[in-house]
Amino acid sequence: NAGVTQTPKFQVLKTGQSMTLQCAQDMNHNSMYWYRQDPGMGLRLIYYSASEGTTDKGEVPNGYNVSRLNKREFSLRLESAAPSQTSVYFCASSESASRQETQYFGPGTRLLVL
Amino acid sequence: GNSVTQMEGPVTLSEEAFLTINCTYTATGYPSLFWYVQYPGEGLQLLLKATKADDKGSNKGFEATYRKETTSFHLEKGSVQVSDSAVYFCALGRGDYKLSFGAGTTVTVRA
Repeated sequence: NAGVTQTPKFQVLKTGQSMTLQCAQDMNHNSMYWYRQDPGMGLRLIYYSASEGTTDKGEVPNGYNVSRLNKREFSLRLESAAPSQTSVYFCASSESASRQETQYFGPGTRLLVL
Repeated sequence: GNSVTQMEGPVTLSEEAFLTINCTYTATGYPSLFWYVQYPGEGLQLLLKATKADDKGSNKGFEATYRKETTSFHLEKGSVQVSDSAVYFCALGRGDYKLSFGAGTTVTVRA
């Protein structure tokens, strides 16, 4: 099992460019999440999908959109990148949306916006 | 609201030293509590968790006890190794299915 995979691993964008971060999980999990990690701030939730066909905003959704393509895949799109979106992005999944469930994380995507 | 406060780092220790990382929380209802670890260049992985008061989570020599009376979930290990060098995150599982993370504590263990 690969677990949670993310592509690309690293990306450099210019301000105003767009890109999509891809995430896939092979654990048959129902719930998926996108976080960003910034120094000294822990992880902050951008969007999540409690189940296939649903998506909801997290703490910091501005400037992002998501698509739950199917049960396995959950993509994050930056329509017009800004330097403030320079961060490390993590995708995660869990069996269900429950406060007791363990979340499983991908290796991350480092994004630099110039 | 729901939040987690954890000890600021960085923490530098010698091998075989005792490690404690403090974590306190504010929450409504009955949250679950987690410790996640991030090794250099990797994503986060679960270290241990506790889902109700007085539960003790343990894994790889690490322990943490869910203390409702002091709203704490401190992480401890009796004898650290160089391989324990990582960033440790305390997290709270909320009733709205989201995780609230602390800022992370960087631990470096010297041989």
